[in-house]
Amino acid sequence: AIQLTQSPSALSASVGDRVTITCRASQGISRSLAWFQQRPGKPPKLLICDASTLESGVPSRFSGSGSGTDFTLTISSLQPEDFATYYCQHFYDYPHTFGQGTRLEIK
Amino acid sequence: EVQLVESGGDLVQPGGSLRLSCAASGFTVSNNFMNWVRQAPGKGLEWVSIIYDAGYTYYADSVKGRFTISRDSSKNVLYLQMDSLRPDDTAIYYCARARGGSDAHKTVSQFWGHGTLVTVSS
Repeated sequence: AIQLTQSPSALSASVGDRVTITCRASQGISRSLAWFQQRPGKPPKLLICDASTLESGVPSRFSGSGSGTDFTLTISSLQPEDFATYYCQHFYDYPHTFGQGTRLEIK
Repeated sequence: EVQLVESGGDLVQPGGSLRLSCAASGFTVSNNFMNWVRQAPGKGLEWVSIIYDAGYTYYADSVKGRFTISRDSSKNVLYLQMDSLRPDDTAIYYCARARGGSDAHKTVSQFWGHGTLVTVSS
């Protein structure tokens, strides 16, 4: 099974900061990667699909890039509602594994 | 409006069985790709299973042979039959409708329910 490794596991930042989260796949997955945001007590929310395509309604401060094995999620200017846990997930083959998550905390 | 409501979560003893339901509204379950994803308390997300519109099914290795995904078209409900339950199956179980379409991203979970809690303990 393809493994996804996110880094960092946790990140402290301030409102207005630019942050980047990395997701590395154990083998090439083309651009078959999605990013989710999960706030405490809520279900995940799909942010980005196909590595870089923003879902409808997702603010433009979110962006994704990468292909093959290395991917990034960038938030250009953190807003208070962005403090949450972020997960990557591949859909290249089965099982559709998730990364372990990156918890974004307020500094 | 797309809505998904999971139910059936409960406290069950190791080795027991449970069937989760996911009632859908605003769309037809049998015309879509549907996922189950779980989250152990305080832990990350784990993809569990998918059923295609055509009926194909896939499972995570951790549940293969023990869990069965299915649907009832007349009730517009998705199910997850869970047998031989183990303590490490304890989690919130989410159902999710996938994006659909013809591209590779058709299996990505787009709309999620709020989950139902399964606890496996003696």
